[in-house]
Amino acid sequence: SQQGEEDPQALSIQEGENATMNCSYKTSINNLQWYRQNSGRGLVHLILIRSNEREKHSGRLRVTLDTSKKSSSLLITASRAADTASYFCATDDYQLTFGKGTKLSVIP
Amino acid sequence: DVKVTQSSRYLVKRTGEKVFLECVQDMDHENMFWYRQDPGLGLRLIYFSYDVKMKEKGDIPEGYSVSREKKERFSLILESASTNQTSMYLCASSPVGGDTQYFGPGTRLTVL
Repeated sequence: SQQGEEDPQALSIQEGENATMNCSYKTSINNLQWYRQNSGRGLVHLILIRSNEREKHSGRLRVTLDTSKKSSSLLITASRAADTASYFCATDDYQLTFGKGTKLSVIP
Repeated sequence: DVKVTQSSRYLVKRTGEKVFLECVQDMDHENMFWYRQDPGLGLRLIYFSYDVKMKEKGDIPEGYSVSREKKERFSLILESASTNQTSMYLCASSPVGGDTQYFGPGTRLTVL
């Protein structure tokens, strides 16, 4: 099954800066989702963008989707120390397939 | 809010033991999933279920079985645990036709 690939694998920024994570995938999708995982915990759904959408916002999160390039990006604006976590994209064709994640560290 | 609970946060077992991991969701979701998560490999789907007594193999079902006797409960069974099954196990659920999955806190299993 296809798999989203996040880039970078790890990202370290100062509090207040913006964080951008990217996801690339290989085949057609119904939608693409982003999840967050705090260390040693389960995943929490952040945002879903459908294949006919190009951009979506939720609070400090902004997600874009480019189906022609088979890529998505997650932008977290004005990052906080509490945003420190791993972020996963998940592509949805007939089942949800997760990437390996980007580990974000926000330094106070 | 949807709540997915897993029976143990941490579990240590010996090679060859039979291991049961339990998952319960309280939102009447039809779909339930078991994943394992390993460093560098991300989340991989082991088994999923679309209804009571229904099960489908995921990407890595070898060495595992599942049971879904009641809608709210989905069990993962390691018939004879091996050291390469040491991992974080995550359970998730979703409603029929739903896109979003709701995850439990995970069980970190160590097989010695």
